[in-house]
Formats: sequence, structure tokens, C-alpha cells
Amino acid sequence: SAVISQKPSRDICQRGTSLTIQCQVDSQVTMMFWYRQQPGQSLTLIATANQGSEATYESGFVIDKFPISRPNLTFSTLTVSNMSPEDSSIYLCSARLAEEQFFGPGTRLTVL
Amino acid sequence: AQSVTQLDSHVSVSEGTPVLLRCNYSSSYSPSLFWYVQHPNKGLQLLLKYTSAATLVKGINGFEAEFKKSETSFHLTKPSAHMSDAAEYFCVVVYSSASKIIFGSGTRLSIRP
Repeated sequence: SAVISQKPSRDICQRGTSLTIQCQVDSQVTMMFWYRQQPGQSLTLIATANQGSEATYESGFVIDKFPISRPNLTFSTLTVSNMSPEDSSIYLCSARLAEEQFFGPGTRLTVL
Repeated sequence: AQSVTQLDSHVSVSEGTPVLLRCNYSSSYSPSLFWYVQHPNKGLQLLLKYTSAATLVKGINGFEAEFKKSETSFHLTKPSAHMSDAAEYFCVVVYSSASKIIFGSGTRLSIRP
């Protein structure tokens, strides 16, 4: 199995600023994913981050707004840039290991 | 298009009665299917998974689900609900051809005393 941790667990930010969320996995994984879960909603995939290649973004998400880094097989970051109140959400990191999907505890972001 | 549908956004049952949470997926050659639970302010926890072995899958906390290819369904059941089962439940499908994970819209399970 894999254990995923995220930092920060929550934050309150001013509009126009940026926040970088860190995701650490206790195992080496090829595929990592970033999701957004807006209040009362299901999870929406933002992008897939594979080590050694550019992240692949889903429709409606762009690199300028959500830049992602994947420097090695256990770590990834997601930046939420130029934030607005509409970006208030829970952001979850996920990793696939041996046909199972593991999720971090999420980062609860509130933008004022 | 590949999709997963959770037919009920909210299910309410009395404690001690059976639970049924419904999930249908679009047909595909070899989907893997999962149920996750999310308690308030907690992370996602895997309840059970189907990956082409036995069609009746047993998970944690007394939950089980049956994969029915003819009905493209993977409904989650539990014989007797407990108050601690109150949470949001997500049906998740992974289509191996695309390696894409698709979440259902979620079902909120409420338990009445």
C-alpha cells in the first residue's frame, strides 16, 4: 500500500496570490494525480503528473493556472495561481500503485 | 463515452436496515471498479475493489458489491446499517485502455436512529 501526505492541510489566502501544495508518497509511483473537490461535489481530475514528462491537463484546466512539478517518483506539487474565491476547494493528491488508487487527506483552500 | 453514474444523490435508511447504493458504468472491455467512502473532513478510504476476479467482492466494515457485466452495474450493499456508516460514497471506474480514473457524483448516506 501507499501512504500519501499533503502540506498544508488547510489555508486561507487572499485573492490574487498563489499557493503551492506539496504531496509526498511513501512509495515510488509512476502515476500521480491532482483532483479538486468543490463543496458538496464529487472529485474532478485536474491533471496527471508522470515523472519525467509534462503534466497532462484535463479539459478546463491549464498549466498557467495550475502549474505542476514532479521532480521524482515520490513527490509532486500543485500551485494554484492568481487565486479567486472560485478556487476555494479541497485539492487532493492521488497515486496509483499495483492497480490501486491511494489518496492524500486533501488540502482545504479558502480564498477570500 | 466512458462514464460512471451513481443513481441516487442521497440515501437515508434506519439503523439496522439494509443499505443499497447504486452504481452503473458505461461498457468497456476491462474496467476496474472501486467504492470509496469519505467521512466529513476526512480523506478518501477504499472500501472494496473489483479487478476481474470474483464478481462478489467483500470489503471493509461489512460492505460488499457485486459486479454484473450484463447490467453494467456495481452496486454497494450492507445487510445492516450502523450510525458510523453515515458518509459520502463514491463509485470509481478505471478503464485500463485510457488509464483514466472516473469518479461518480457521489451518494450521501444518512442513517436514522
